[in-house]
Formats: sequence, structure tokens, C-alpha cells
Amino acid sequence: SQQGEEDPQALSIQEGENATMNCSYKTSINNLQWYRQNSGRGLVHLILIRSNEREKHSGRLRVTLDTSKKSSSLLITASRAADTASYFCATVLTGGGNKLTFGTGTQLKVEL
Amino acid sequence: DVKVTQSSRYLVKRTGEKVFLECVQDMDHENMFWYRQDPGLGLRLIYFSYDVKMKEKGDIPEGYSVSREKKERFSLILESASTNQTSMYLCASSPPRAMGTEAFFGQGTRLTVV
Repeated sequence: SQQGEEDPQALSIQEGENATMNCSYKTSINNLQWYRQNSGRGLVHLILIRSNEREKHSGRLRVTLDTSKKSSSLLITASRAADTASYFCATVLTGGGNKLTFGTGTQLKVEL
Repeated sequence: DVKVTQSSRYLVKRTGEKVFLECVQDMDHENMFWYRQDPGLGLRLIYFSYDVKMKEKGDIPEGYSVSREKKERFSLILESASTNQTSMYLCASSPPRAMGTEAFFGQGTRLTVV
């Protein structure tokens, strides 16, 4: 079964707007990561947040983590057409060794 | 830059064939993963390996096996390909003690079984 589920499944916004994607997971985690996938390609790591962190920033990306709700959100500010891609959250479980489990993804479309 | 290379971008095989998907990484990573990606289902873990000759089943190992004879190479084997194994296959690697570090992905192999 999927450890993480992203919400919404698809999101369409105008260039310049902010995009927010959410991820919920089921069991206790060591860390949560966000990845991006351009159409038909491999995934690229964006940002990692550890279970003892609540917020992290990287450029136009802001990630929050609420372990009490078992959820995370990814905010992309001032979106660009080039941000059009699928975004996935992935978790490393507490005591789960190195196993990296992905969610179902959010398809983001940024229109000009 | 870390490079993870999958042997084929596109592959067409016949039902019942034995299929080998190869993945090579050049950064001496301990951990390697095989996922399959299907629309609406995200990435599902098939197998992963945390050391040479070591492997663990992921969430959907049925119909697959793996081989890791050398640290840099992780092979996925479809023992007898079936049409429901038509999918995008993604290989990834990550550094030692990967509890906190990122995975690097290959470009994927789109496999069609006819």
C-alpha cells in the first residue's frame, strides 16, 4: 500500500501564482522528501525535511511538516511555466532502514 | 554529478520472455532501488538493495527478481514477462546511511510487453 498520498491529484494555476501541494502519510517517519518529475523522465530531489523539523526553505520552495497530523505541504511561490511537472513526496520510516517509499503524486500545470 | 544509467529508454518484449533491466551508478552508493510507475499509482517499490548481494523485497516483488553482484550495478529480472508488467521502470541509488539523504534516479525504461 502507498505510504504517502498527495493532494490534489492535479493542479492548474497561472504563472506568478503560488502552488500548494499536500502529502499525508501513515506511519512514523525519519524524514520526508519531495521530488519533481518532468514528463516521462526520472525524478529529481528537491528538498528533505527531518522529523524534528517543522519548516524548511530552498529558493522558491517552502516545505512544512506536521508529524502530529502525519502531513507535509510543499509551497512553490511565484510559479513559472517551467515548474510544470509532477511532484511526489517520499518517506523514510522510523526504523525503516534505507527504504524510500513514494506517494501517488500531484500533477502541476502552470499556464502563461 | 551523480549518474544513474539505465540500459534502455524503451523496450518491447514478448509475453513469456525473460527480461533484464540494467542499472549502473557511478557514485559508489550503497543503496539501490527499483520502482515501477503507473498512472494514478505513483511509484511502487519492487526491490531494493543495501549492499552487494543483499536485497529486500519492496511492496510489489511478485514476478520480479534482482541481482547485485557488483556495487555499481543492480539488475531487475522479469522471469516470464506478462502484459501487466508493461510499465515505466525507474532505478535509483542513494549514499550510505541513507536515512537522511536524497536518491538519484535514472531516466527510466518504458517497457511494453506484447
